[in-house]
Amino acid sequence: EVQLVESGGGLEQPGRSLRLSCAASGFTFDDYAMHWVRQVPGKGLEWVAGLSWNSDSMAYADSVKGRFTISRDNAKNSLYLHMNSLRAEDTALYYCAKERTFGSWTEGYGFDAWGQGTMVTVS
Amino acid sequence: DIQLTQSPSFLSASVGDRVTIACRASQDISNYLAWYQQKPGKAPQFLIYAASTLQSGVPSRFSGSGSGTEFTLTISSLQPEDFATYYCQQFNSYPRTFGQGTKVESK
Repeated sequence: EVQLVESGGGLEQPGRSLRLSCAASGFTFDDYAMHWVRQVPGKGLEWVAGLSWNSDSMAYADSVKGRFTISRDNAKNSLYLHMNSLRAEDTALYYCAKERTFGSWTEGYGFDAWGQGTMVTVS
Repeated sequence: DIQLTQSPSFLSASVGDRVTIACRASQDISNYLAWYQQKPGKAPQFLIYAASTLQSGVPSRFSGSGSGTEFTLTISSLQPEDFATYYCQQFNSYPRTFGQGTKVESK
């Protein structure tokens, strides 16, 4: 069974940093691109960042570009989101999500597995 | 960036109704579109990919269609467990934008 478990959220002050982690199991982690998606409670989904299976390619939403860094450690089956210069508008539930298709990056076919999310509050 | 606009934003329906949700892209995305269902307090659930292919395990009352810039999600006969919010997402390019969501409520 595919499982994604996020951790590292919490309350942090504006301007400070936080690192989120996502532990993956139940699939060959280094075969798939991985992503972070966030959701302000009661609002819609916002894609935040994505990273290819081999870390060669990455992409960010304009809202976080230059402040957030996505990384992965395939040996540890883990995905990370390094969040710097936090702002109040970064307050959200952060989900880790798995790309559906083996090896895909440029085009894709959906996120077929999601974690339960970790809450980040910037205040 | 590609914008996705869903309509309607809210929909009131009854069990047994046929429900259709539209998703319009600001530019041609071929068939690189996915649909998700999200219930309160839960992570999104993957329904459809490549605009019209049902993800394994998803009930056949769900279907998707469209290509280019116009897409639809249809629930042929709404069931009690289908009251939720639905999102489309494009996979043609980055950023991987979502539609704003459509909340399906009980009439």
